[in-house]
Amino acid sequence: EAQVTQNPRYLITVTGKKLTVTCSQNMNHEYMSWYRQDPGLGLRQIYYSMNVEVTDKGDVPEGYKVSRKEKRNFPLILESPSPNQTSLYFCASGGLAGADTQYFGPGTRLTVL
Amino acid sequence: GQQVMQIPQYQHVQEGEDFTTYCNSSTTLSNIQWYKQRPGGHPVFLIQLVKSGEVKKQKRLTFQFGEAKKNSSLHITATQTTDVGTYFCAANNNDMRFGAGTRLTVKP
Repeated sequence: EAQVTQNPRYLITVTGKKLTVTCSQNMNHEYMSWYRQDPGLGLRQIYYSMNVEVTDKGDVPEGYKVSRKEKRNFPLILESPSPNQTSLYFCASGGLAGADTQYFGPGTRLTVL
Repeated sequence: GQQVMQIPQYQHVQEGEDFTTYCNSSTTLSNIQWYKQRPGGHPVFLIQLVKSGEVKKQKRLTFQFGEAKKNSSLHITATQTTDVGTYFCAANNNDMRFGAGTRLTVKP
């Protein structure tokens, strides 16, 4: 089954404790992206990657890191989480950036205390 | 980057009534996508519009892309309870810019 998976689905952590949210897709997509969703603000792009070893900042990259060492994986790293990073996070993948459907993962709800 | 404004933020309708959400950009868009997110779910792709003045239909849903490629709309005819959710437009370049979404509720 073609899908985008994220782990964990739910996470409660404390300020300053490094965490990683994993994202994996099995559709051989080149394009992958991370978003955060906050009430009234819709989806805001954090980082995106157009291919392996290529990453670019989205709209709200501050406080986040990503890596794209393999085509299928695109982890989101919060080196020192803060309460304002409490949000719902979605990973997405697509065939070609700017020209294709994006398939979203189920989401990760993160709470930073 | 380009900003995408979407209105209204909320819309509550009686089942059977029509519904429309609008997206506007200050700059010309190369294309625009529409997504639906059910409560508690993730965004699901509905359609992509590319050509100036393009109109596409999916059953009761009609999508339009403006002549100047700066605005787009989604119209639902005769809403049903299954239409409940938040509808997002997204300006699609290498980076994606989503509108804030229109949350639709339908009273049976």
